[in-house]
Amino acid sequence: DADVTQTPRNRITKTGKRIMLECSQTKGHDRMYWYRQDPGLGLRLIYYSFDVKDINKGEISDGYSVSRQAQAKFSLSLESAIPNQTALYFCATSEGGSSYNEQFFGPGTRLTVL
Amino acid sequence: AQSVTQPDIHITVSEGASLELRCNYSYGATPYLFWYVQSPGQGLQLLLKYFSGDTLVQGIKGFEAEFKRSQSSFNLRKPSVHWSDAAEYFCAVGAKEYGNKLVFGAGTILRVKS
Repeated sequence: DADVTQTPRNRITKTGKRIMLECSQTKGHDRMYWYRQDPGLGLRLIYYSFDVKDINKGEISDGYSVSRQAQAKFSLSLESAIPNQTALYFCATSEGGSSYNEQFFGPGTRLTVL
Repeated sequence: AQSVTQPDIHITVSEGASLELRCNYSYGATPYLFWYVQSPGQGLQLLLKYFSGDTLVQGIKGFEAEFKRSQSSFNLRKPSVHWSDAAEYFCAVGAKEYGNKLVFGAGTILRVKS
């Protein structure tokens, strides 16, 4: 089984809808991250969490919110989806102790907002 | 502003030929440097990383990279490319000046001709 899983893998929704993307990990890592990938822009950090009680905004948090329900679960929500949030979304995890430990990525969720 | 530059959006090489993918970063302190690979439909996987010490680092799948402080570069190389190396490659940089988070380049898509 994969260490970092994301659900759903693909989602098509309409403008204004609320969407939740879920991430679960079995690696036992404290740190979890949400990125979005856009062609030509690489990965940009949306939110990150260093433990269950720690949530931090990343580079592009506007329009997004997160919830760290447990060490193993980190969800990303789009309260009112808009077309420019169409992108590939990745969850990642890493061990604690350093900001530069290897990050392990899920397979991604492709979100299309019509 | 902090930035990570991958000058080549696409590169095409013949199978068996050598490969070099370029990465430059924009500030002077000693960074933590990473190369990740993203195969189609999958998440990112770490190829190699540099924190300190020998400036030539070896990674998985026969890849290596060299840190050149004077050029602010961390170029990825492989002496003989295989068709299975076709993927997108991302350089990432971490440092205190980047808020202790990873900043990713825009990626380079590698195509391999048979």
